[in-house]
Amino acid sequence: NAGVTQTPKFRILKIGQSMTLQCAQDMNHNYMYWYRQDPGMGLKLIYYSVGAGITDKGEVPNGYNVSRSTTEDFPLRLELAAPSQTSVYFCASSPTGISPLHFGNGTRLTVT
Amino acid sequence: KNEVEQSPQNLTAQEGEFITINCSYSVGISALHWLQQHPGGGIVSLFMLSSGKKKHGRLIATINIQEKHSSLHITASHPRDSAVYICAVVPNSGGSNYKLTFGKGTLLTVNP
Repeated sequence: NAGVTQTPKFRILKIGQSMTLQCAQDMNHNYMYWYRQDPGMGLKLIYYSVGAGITDKGEVPNGYNVSRSTTEDFPLRLELAAPSQTSVYFCASSPTGISPLHFGNGTRLTVT
Repeated sequence: KNEVEQSPQNLTAQEGEFITINCSYSVGISALHWLQQHPGGGIVSLFMLSSGKKKHGRLIATINIQEKHSSLHITASHPRDSAVYICAVVPNSGGSNYKLTFGKGTLLTVNP
């Protein structure tokens, strides 16, 4: 099993551009999450999903959108990128709401 | 507000030493996660626990629910243990991974 796969690994965006961070898992997990990690800060939840067709906002959702059309995929969309969105983004999944998390390898995004 | 404090922030040890990383939190919890993040790498779940103690190889995690405190111990430390160790808690209110609050992490460096 590949686990949780994130693409791309690195990306540089100009201010105002848009992009989609891809996340896919092959473990048939219902729960999926998007986090951002900023230097010296704990991980912050952007959006999460408890199953296909169901998504909800986390702690820091502004400037982002998600969709969950299948169990496997949970893409994160950045519209009108801003320097404040420079961060490392992690996708994660878990089979239930309280169970160990499986993380992807992260996407390092720079907005200039 | 739920706060998660880890100590120390940075820890340097010699190979073979016994390591302890501490995590304190301020609210009642359903579960606590310990995660490991290697430099520039992804995040791996080490333990999820809600009481007592868990052991995996040279790693031991303990939790004292009454004192709102958990410790991660590494016996016979090795340079490959060098990583950031992150504590995260699931609060009783809500009680799911999407309510996780993360600590800022402890950077462990083990010198040969």
